Amino acid sequence: SYELTQPPSVSVSPGQTARITCSGDALPKQYASWYQQKPGQAPVLVIYKDTERPSGIPERFSGSSSGTTVTLTISGAQAEDEADYYCQSADSSGTYVVFGGGTKLTVL
Amino acid sequence: EVQVVESGGGLVQPGGSLRLSCAASGFTVSSNYMTWVRQAPGKGLEWVSVIYSGGSTYYADSVKGRFTISRDNSKNTLYLQMNSLRAEDTAVYYCARELWGSSSYYMDVWGKGTTVTVSS
Repeated sequence: SYELTQPPSVSVSPGQTARITCSGDALPKQYASWYQQKPGQAPVLVIYKDTERPSGIPERFSGSSSGTTVTLTISGAQAEDEADYYCQSADSSGTYVVFGGGTKLTVL
Repeated sequence: EVQVVESGGGLVQPGGSLRLSCAASGFTVSSNYMTWVRQAPGKGLEWVSVIYSGGSTYYADSVKGRFTISRDNSKNTLYLQMNSLRAEDTAVYYCARELWGSSSYYMDVWGKGTTVTVSS
C-alpha cells in the first residue's frame, strides 16, 4: 500500500524557521495537504494543493513541492505552533487517501 | 456556519457493532465527498472510508468487509456502520468534508470526533 514518510520530530527555537518534509512516490502526480493537530483537538487544514493556504491561516505557514517530496515551512515559528503536523495525499489512482505518520514540532 | 458533528461512539465488546453519525450543517452532504478518519490512542491519522457525491464508496483494507459508509440525504447526515469490531478499531473517529479537484484531495471541515472503545 502507498505510504507517505515524515520525520517523527522537528525542533526549533522561537522565531526560527521550521521545515517538515513528506516523501511519497505519487507526490509528483497528486497534490499534498498539511494538517495541524494540537492535543485533544481535531486536525486543522493549514496547506492544500501543495502551496495554497486556507483563509485564516497565518502567512508564516507555506508549502512547497519538489519531485517526490513536499515541505511545510513555518517561518518565524511561535510557541503556539507547537503541534503534530500530518501530510496527506492520495495514491496514483486518486482513489485512496493516505496520511503521513505525523511530525511532532517542538518550539523551545 | 459550515460544520459537522459526530455522535454514536461508546464502549463495545469485541465482535460487536456500532453506528456512528455525522450531522452536517451549512452545506449538503450528498453534494460532497464525505470521509471518515480515525486516530488510535497516541497514534497518527488513518483514513477509513469515503463516499463520493455520486454514491461510490471506498474503504481502507483494515476495515473492508466490516464497515459500511452511507448517508441519509433527508437528514443531511453521514453514517459509519461498524461490525465485527476488534480491539484495534479503538480510536477517535472524525468525520470530514473532502474537497477534490484535478489530482487534489483534502479535508477542509472536520468534526471534533467521537470515541470508540472496543474492550471486554
